[in-house]
Amino acid sequence: DSGVTQTPKHLITATGQRVTLRCSPRSGDLSVYWYQQSLDQGLQFLIHYYNGEERAKGNILERFSAQQFPDLHSELNLSSLELGDSALYFCASSAPRDRGSTEAFFGQGTRLTVV
Amino acid sequence: DAKTTQPPSMDCAEGRAANLPCNHSTISGNEYVYWYRQIHSQGPQYIIHGLKNNETNEMASLIITEDRKSSTLILPHATLRDTAVYYCIVRVASGGSYIPTFGRGTSLIVHP
Repeated sequence: DSGVTQTPKHLITATGQRVTLRCSPRSGDLSVYWYQQSLDQGLQFLIHYYNGEERAKGNILERFSAQQFPDLHSELNLSSLELGDSALYFCASSAPRDRGSTEAFFGQGTRLTVV
Repeated sequence: DAKTTQPPSMDCAEGRAANLPCNHSTISGNEYVYWYRQIHSQGPQYIIHGLKNNETNEMASLIITEDRKSSTLILPHATLRDTAVYYCIVRVASGGSYIPTFGRGTSLIVHP
């Protein structure tokens, strides 16, 4: 158990719909990262939040958005869903850099299926 | 940003050592090498990291060459449960953030 919790584990929705994926980081971790992994594809970095602020963006579509709340949990919002958005979505968290090691701990992911 | 190169696949007999190589010839002096693995469709799991010295923990050993241009992850006694995709990454900085950036990794198959 990595200590990172993602909900829901599975989600099936129709094209055009909007969904919200939730991530609770490890206790004390300030950084949250979101990744997308499509079938047989690598892990694509989407976005990074640190202590409530957006710090870096990767290949995130404009239809997608995220935020990190004061209690440090994060949500990834996916809207106007298309079939190609079907993928595993992972959240990871890590401690602040001044704590030394910055290894990331991943949740078990949310499997999104768009039909 | 330093990039890494790994063989796409390897196999290993159960009980034997698995040695997974990684090239990172453009690594900067202050960049760490991290290893993660992903068992099918599960979240990636951190294994080990290092800067220039060899490192060992309960999961694996990491050997980094003196010039830091390559490294090897060693699983000393591979088991069937070690079958996974192994990712070698270099900590990438972007706007003050360190983003774990994953390539295609090495698919390790441990066979009986």
